[in-house]
Amino acid sequence: GAGVSQSPRYKVAKRGQDVALRCDPISGHVSLFWYQQALGQGPEFLTYFQNEAQLDKSGLPSDRFFAERPEGSVSTLKIQRTQQEDSAVYLCASSLGFGGSYEQYFGPGTRLTVT
Amino acid sequence: KQEVTQIPAALSVPEGENLVLNCSFTDSAIYNLQWFRQDPGKGLTSLLLIQSSQREQTSGRLNASLDKSSGRSTLYIAASQPGDSATYLCAVFLGAGNNRKLIWGLGTSLAVNP
Repeated sequence: GAGVSQSPRYKVAKRGQDVALRCDPISGHVSLFWYQQALGQGPEFLTYFQNEAQLDKSGLPSDRFFAERPEGSVSTLKIQRTQQEDSAVYLCASSLGFGGSYEQYFGPGTRLTVT
Repeated sequence: KQEVTQIPAALSVPEGENLVLNCSFTDSAIYNLQWFRQDPGKGLTSLLLIQSSQREQTSGRLNASLDKSSGRSTLYIAASQPGDSATYLCAVFLGAGNNRKLIWGLGTSLAVNP
C-alpha cells in the first residue's frame, strides 16, 4: 500500500512569508507526528495527533508554528512569518496506534529554505 | 532530560566488513528503541524496533541489541555492502500519558567502499 506522503518536497520562502506543509499518513493510522530536522542533526519532535486531537504540541518552537488534522487524516503544518532559522527538513510520521508497540513510518520530508 | 548519543559519528569501511554502531541513552524508562536509516534527500526508513522487554531483534544482515539497564543499544551489520551507505539513526520512545515521543541521536554516517 501507499506510504506516508508529503508535499511539497521542496519549498523556498522569503523571510516573512507564510508556508503550509502537507502530510498524508498511511490510511487507517491513528497517530501522526511532525518532526523538524536541521542540517546535520537528528529529528526533533514538534507535535503529535491522535486522530483529530492534537495531544502534544510541546515541541513547537514558537507561536508562529501551527498544526492541524481536522478530519483525523491529512495534516497541515503551517509556519507564519517564516524566519531563516526555520530552514530545515520537516518530517511527518504515522503509526497504527500510540504506544511502545507501534512503529512509526516516515514520509520523505519537506525541505524548507527561508531566504 | 533524555539524551541519546551515537558513536561513532562517521565510519568508513571496505565492503564485506562486519561492523557495529553504538547508541546510548541516559534514561532507561523507555518504551522501545528504534534504528532508522536515512539516505540523502530521503525520509527515514525503520530498520528494527526493539520493545523495552526485548533483548534483540534481527532482520536479514542486521541485528540490534538492547541493554536497557545500562542504557545501550548496538546495531550490528554483517557483510557490509556499498548499498548500506547511509546515515543510521537511533531513537528511543519514552514519556508518559499523551506526552510520549521519539528522542533521537545525531546519527552515524556510514560509507561502505567497494
